[in-house]
Amino acid sequence: AQTVTQSQPEMSVQEAETVTLSCTYDTSESNYYLFWYKQPPSRQMILVIRQEAYKQQNATENRFSVNFQKAAKSFSLKISDSQLGDTAMYFCAFMKQYAGGTSYGKLTFGQGTILTVHP
Amino acid sequence: KAGVTQTPRYLIKTRGQQVTLSCSPISGHRSVSWYQQTPGQGLQFLFEYFSETQRNKGNFPGRFSGRQFSNSRSEMNVSTLELGDSALYLCASSSVGKGTYEQYFGPGTRLTVT
Repeated sequence: AQTVTQSQPEMSVQEAETVTLSCTYDTSESNYYLFWYKQPPSRQMILVIRQEAYKQQNATENRFSVNFQKAAKSFSLKISDSQLGDTAMYFCAFMKQYAGGTSYGKLTFGQGTILTVHP
Repeated sequence: KAGVTQTPRYLIKTRGQQVTLSCSPISGHRSVSWYQQTPGQGLQFLFEYFSETQRNKGNFPGRFSGRQFSNSRSEMNVSTLELGDSALYLCASSSVGKGTYEQYFGPGTRLTVT
């Protein structure tokens, strides 16, 4: 079974600054996907960024980037130029990749990190 | 493209009753997954359906069941409700095929059991 750990229950950052959210995971699988999702207050879950484990290059999406360390089983999210709209609960998630590259729809989530961006 | 929709958005039920929640995936998405979100347990996987078949299941009692229709819409049912079933129930849809695995979430159904 896989486990995902987010060790920072809450974090805060000033607008325009950079913040890094931590995530570690434990798995015996070699092929998998990792994700960061954000859940704004009373709003729905949004996919922020994804990473395929077989790719060494770290994924980036505009102001969001990850630091993927496969050997260390670490997957941190860096948010640059933080904006007020980034205030949300952030979840790190793991998905096993089965033969043929498919998955069977199961995300394993960490406990989440509440990020508050202050003006 | 319309996103994932869930109905109803809010529900209040009494212990012992049963409830059915509905999820309509993004057009063209054939996989639907269900999750339970609570403050204590976080986000937990319930089950996943593809082509009207349950392909994966989490560690929930048999009171939790689901189904998927030929148009990919899915329902989940909880029978004999308990207070601990109070939660936000999220469904997520995804396309199926090599390289397509991202899940897109609906707004959730907030279930309160009294």
